[in-house]
Amino acid sequence: KNQVEQSPQSLIILEGKNCTLQCNYTVSPFSNLRWYKQDTGRGPVSLTIMTFSENTKSNGRYTATLDADTKQSSLHITASQLSDSASYICVVSGGGGGSYIPTFGRGTSLIVHP
Amino acid sequence: DAGVTQSPTHLIKTRGQQVTLRCSPKSGHDTVSWYQQALGQGPQFIFQYYEEEERQRGNFPDRFSGHQFPNYSSELNVNALLLGDSALYLCASSPRGAKNIQYFGAGTRLSVL
Repeated sequence: KNQVEQSPQSLIILEGKNCTLQCNYTVSPFSNLRWYKQDTGRGPVSLTIMTFSENTKSNGRYTATLDADTKQSSLHITASQLSDSASYICVVSGGGGGSYIPTFGRGTSLIVHP
Repeated sequence: DAGVTQSPTHLIKTRGQQVTLRCSPKSGHDTVSWYQQALGQGPQFIFQYYEEEERQRGNFPDRFSGHQFPNYSSELNVNALLLGDSALYLCASSPRGAKNIQYFGAGTRLSVL
């Protein structure tokens, strides 16, 4: 069964600090891995997308890494801001025969305090 | 250029009723996917439409059905509503030939009483 596990479930940090969110997956075959940011009551917004051959991707203060061998990914947020408070969701797409059915993690809830 | 738009934003129904949610994809996108997101959970894939046909489906009962129109907009229909259908319903659109690239709408919050 395809699964995406994220940790921690929730995280509280002070403004200006860095943090790292983790994602482990069992989706096979693997197509791509995406990180989304979802504000409360809003739709997810894409941060990064990585395919099998990519092991790092940056988007401003967000840097995602991918280890396809261990099936792990991380999202590192640098110099956090209050606006970073949101849920961060890891999504892995796979499936055979051209299928792109994505598997979503439950997300990590990040709270940034001033 | 408008992004993905969904309507209505909020909806309250009672058990047993039927509901229709609507989605207009981002300009230039021909593929629409629907997701159900329960409170505190990640989105669950319902189904995907392109060329006006359901192409892939997640693990949802037949009470969940959809439609895609020639202008690529889409509807999600849920019959015989259950309390457990209360959730945020998200629509995502993708450009032709790049179904991995998804842009999400703000969602429709459905409450079943």
